[in-house]
Amino acid sequence: QSALTQPRSVSGSPGQSVTISCTGTNNDVGAYNYVSWYQQHPGKAPKLMIYDVTKRPSGVPDHFSGSKSGNTASLTISGLQAEDEADYYCCSYAGSSFYVFGTGTKVTVL
Amino acid sequence: QVQLVQSGSELKTPGASVKVSCKASGYTFISSAINWVRQAPGQGLEWMGWINTNTGNPTYAQGFTGRFVFSLDTSVSTAYLQISRLKAEDTAIYYCARDPPSGWQFDDWGQGTLVTVSS
Repeated sequence: QSALTQPRSVSGSPGQSVTISCTGTNNDVGAYNYVSWYQQHPGKAPKLMIYDVTKRPSGVPDHFSGSKSGNTASLTISGLQAEDEADYYCCSYAGSSFYVFGTGTKVTVL
Repeated sequence: QVQLVQSGSELKTPGASVKVSCKASGYTFISSAINWVRQAPGQGLEWMGWINTNTGNPTYAQGFTGRFVFSLDTSVSTAYLQISRLKAEDTAIYYCARDPPSGWQFDDWGQGTLVTVSS
C-alpha cells in the first residue's frame, strides 16, 4: 500500500485560504468516504481535524473544512491563523481493515 | 475524558527488544480498537496496524510483520507494541491511537514513545 500523495508544503498570509490535496487510488480515497485529516505541531502528537471526508470533531474551528472528488481529497483552511502553522496528514481507509496515511504537508503562515 | 498514556523513551542496542505500553482510560477499553503509528525522525506518519481489543486479534500493515507484535492486557486497559531484533532504522516515535466503534478515524492519540536504536 503506497502512501497517499500530498504537496510537501503550502503557505499563505493570515486571513487567506489554503488548500491541501491528498491523492490516492480507486482502492482507498476513491473507494471509501473515510478520509480523515490530522494536524501535528512540532513535538506534539497528531490531532484529528476532519473525519469521514467532511465532518469536524467537536472543538475543531469551523475554518477547517474537507472535501473529496474522485481519488483526491482536500483540506481547506479558510482565514489562515498563526496557530494553523503545522504539519497536516491525510489518512484513508483502504479496505480489509487497512489504513494509509498521506506523505504530509507543512503549512506556513507568512 | 479519554486518555492514552504511553511509556517513556527507550534507548536500545541493535538486536535487542523493546516493549512500548499504551494505557487507556476514560472509556470502555474493549469497545475501541488500538492502532499503532510510526514516525521516523523528520518523516511522516506510517500506519503499522491495529489490534481488536475485544478479541485480541492483531492486523499488521505491510512492512510490519515478523518483528512487530501487538498485544493486550485488558485487566489494566493496556495495549503493547513489542519490537524484536531491533535495527537502527526502527528509531522513531511510536504512537498508539484509538479509533471509535463504527468509526474510521483516530480520535485520540497517546503522547508518543521515542525508541532510539544505537550501538
